[in-house]
Amino acid sequence: NAGVTQTPKFRILKIGQSMTLQCAQDMNHNYMYWYRQDPGMGLKLIYYSVGAGITDKGEVPNGYNVSRSTTEDFPLRLELAAPSQTSVYFCASSYRPDRSNGYTFGSGTRLTVV
Amino acid sequence: DAKTTQPTSMDCAEGRAANLPCNHSTISGNEYVYWYRQIHSQGPQYIIHGLKNNETNEMASLIITEDRKSSTLILPHATLRDTAVYYCIVRVANTGNQFYFGTGTSLTVIP
Repeated sequence: NAGVTQTPKFRILKIGQSMTLQCAQDMNHNYMYWYRQDPGMGLKLIYYSVGAGITDKGEVPNGYNVSRSTTEDFPLRLELAAPSQTSVYFCASSYRPDRSNGYTFGSGTRLTVV
Repeated sequence: DAKTTQPTSMDCAEGRAANLPCNHSTISGNEYVYWYRQIHSQGPQYIIHGLKNNETNEMASLIITEDRKSSTLILPHATLRDTAVYYCIVRVANTGNQFYFGTGTSLTVIP
């Protein structure tokens, strides 16, 4: 098992550009999540999905979009990048029911918008 | 989900037990206490969780008070690799409800 795989690991965007952060898991988890973490801060939930075809907003969804066409993949889309979106982005997944180990996190994507 | 309160930072001598407290005075009867940690620049890592009883695994022990309003994560023999931010989270298990992470406790293990 690779667990949760995020690509790319690093990216620099110019203001107004768009990009997609990729997230894939091979554990057959139904639930997937996107978080962002600003320097020195905790994680904030952007979007989450309870299964293929179902997504919902978290705490800070503005400026982002997601889709969940398969169980394995949960891409995060930035349409018009802004400096405020400079952050580290973490994808996570979990089983349902969530019996024991909670979330499995990816290693993160470090995004800088200049 | 119930709110948690943790100290901002703590130090611990290498080889000693690290005791990380967490207050969750508004916890509901069906909410579990989860602990995660985040080593610099990495994704958070699950440590342990519990409902009422004390729990122990290969990483740590979790002590939950009888009234469930607070808990303590214990790392029995802290090593330098345990230096990390530790997050205490309460939430209902067996649902898809997301975890809300606060700012956690920054633990520094000192040689």
